[in-house]
Amino acid sequence: AQSVTQLDSQVPVFEEAPVELRCNYSSSVSVYLFWYVQYPNQGLQLLLKYLSGSTLVKGINGFEAEFNKSQTSFHLRKPSVHISDTAEYFCAVSDTDSWGKFQFGAGTQVVVTP
Amino acid sequence: ETGVTQTPRHLVMGMTNKKSLKCEQHLGHNAMYWYKQSAKKPLELMFVYSLEERVENNSVPSRFSPECPNSSHLFLHLHTLQPEDSALYLCASSQDHSPLHFGNGTRLTVT
Repeated sequence: AQSVTQLDSQVPVFEEAPVELRCNYSSSVSVYLFWYVQYPNQGLQLLLKYLSGSTLVKGINGFEAEFNKSQTSFHLRKPSVHISDTAEYFCAVSDTDSWGKFQFGAGTQVVVTP
Repeated sequence: ETGVTQTPRHLVMGMTNKKSLKCEQHLGHNAMYWYKQSAKKPLELMFVYSLEERVENNSVPSRFSPECPNSSHLFLHLHTLQPEDSALYLCASSQDHSPLHFGNGTRLTVT
């Protein structure tokens, strides 16, 4: 079984500053990795995914994440945030041999202020 | 239009009521999911249906009863719920190795 840890429950950040959200996972097998964003009163929306290939993954809205197998991490970054990036962000993992069993982290609330 | 539509958006029910949550996906996916989202907790997978067959049931109490009549529709029937069942219930769908596509959820309050 896999597990996901998001190290920060809340991250305050000023507009136009960079942000990094940390995600670590544990699994005994190979995994697929995802970041989702949830705006107020909405469901989760896929930001980006790592399935294979390049360890640096680019997603929507200027976000990117880097898969580090040795550190079992998949941290999310954005070089310059906007007020509209205020939302909750979820890291998720799925074993490559058992599709459908997604494990989610507890989420990181990003609050962007002017 | 998210591709996954959930109704109702909000639901308030008493502990003795019976109600149903509905989910419809317009993406042609072959798997559908129910998740429970409570404050400050990871999403909890409740049920998974693949090709209309239930493939996952994560020790969910019997007061929650899923139904998947076809690959586009998923229901969650609720009866004799407890206040701790108040949460956001999210439906999602996927196809083969694609990521999950979520609906906007039903905010359930049990009084």
